[in-house]
Amino acid sequence: AQSVSQHNHHVILSEAASLELGCNYSYGGTVNLFWYVQYPGQHLQLLLKYFSGDPLVKGIKGFEAEFIKSKFSFNLRKPSVQWSDTAEYFCAVNADNFGNEKLTFGTGTRLTIIP
Amino acid sequence: NAGVTQTPKFQVLKTGQSMTLQCAQDMNHNSMYWYRQDPGMGLRLIYYSASEGTTDKGEVPNGYNVSRLNKREFSLRLESAAPSQTSVYFCASNQGRTGNTIYFGEGSWLTVV
Repeated sequence: AQSVSQHNHHVILSEAASLELGCNYSYGGTVNLFWYVQYPGQHLQLLLKYFSGDPLVKGIKGFEAEFIKSKFSFNLRKPSVQWSDTAEYFCAVNADNFGNEKLTFGTGTRLTIIP
Repeated sequence: NAGVTQTPKFQVLKTGQSMTLQCAQDMNHNSMYWYRQDPGMGLRLIYYSASEGTTDKGEVPNGYNVSRLNKREFSLRLESAAPSQTSVYFCASNQGRTGNTIYFGEGSWLTVV
């Protein structure tokens, strides 16, 4: 079965700092990878996704992620964070290519940006 | 364009009571899902429905039942609530094809005392 690990549980950064959140998955076959964001009190929203093509994926709000197949990783990056990026970030993987999008989520990383 | 709508947003139950969480989507999606979110555990899939008339267990189905009433609606029922079911519940939907984005509802905060 697929699984996802997010090793950073809580990250605290100052505004303008660079961000990298780790995500590793375990599955030997073809995968689709996602990053979702949950702002305080809100529902999950898609930041970006990868399922084929260029392994460097650009998402909304200046976020990007790089799929490195050899490392089973899909780390999320942003060159310069803003206070409004304070949220919880979830990595997710789907390895079911037969139609059903059963996402397996990581445990999440809480990001706090200090003004 | 409402997207995924779930009700109620907040509920407090006593142990042993039953309740149903309602979910509806207006995007003509084939697949619908119920997740629960607990601190330090991320989101875990309770049940999903790949299409109208079908339902399947996810990672944590015990203590729950679901009904895919029609293409739009997917309800989650707690027959006899337990404190361990205190959680935030999210309904979600998508077209069910590989790579399609899942859209989430705003969540239902359930407390069982």
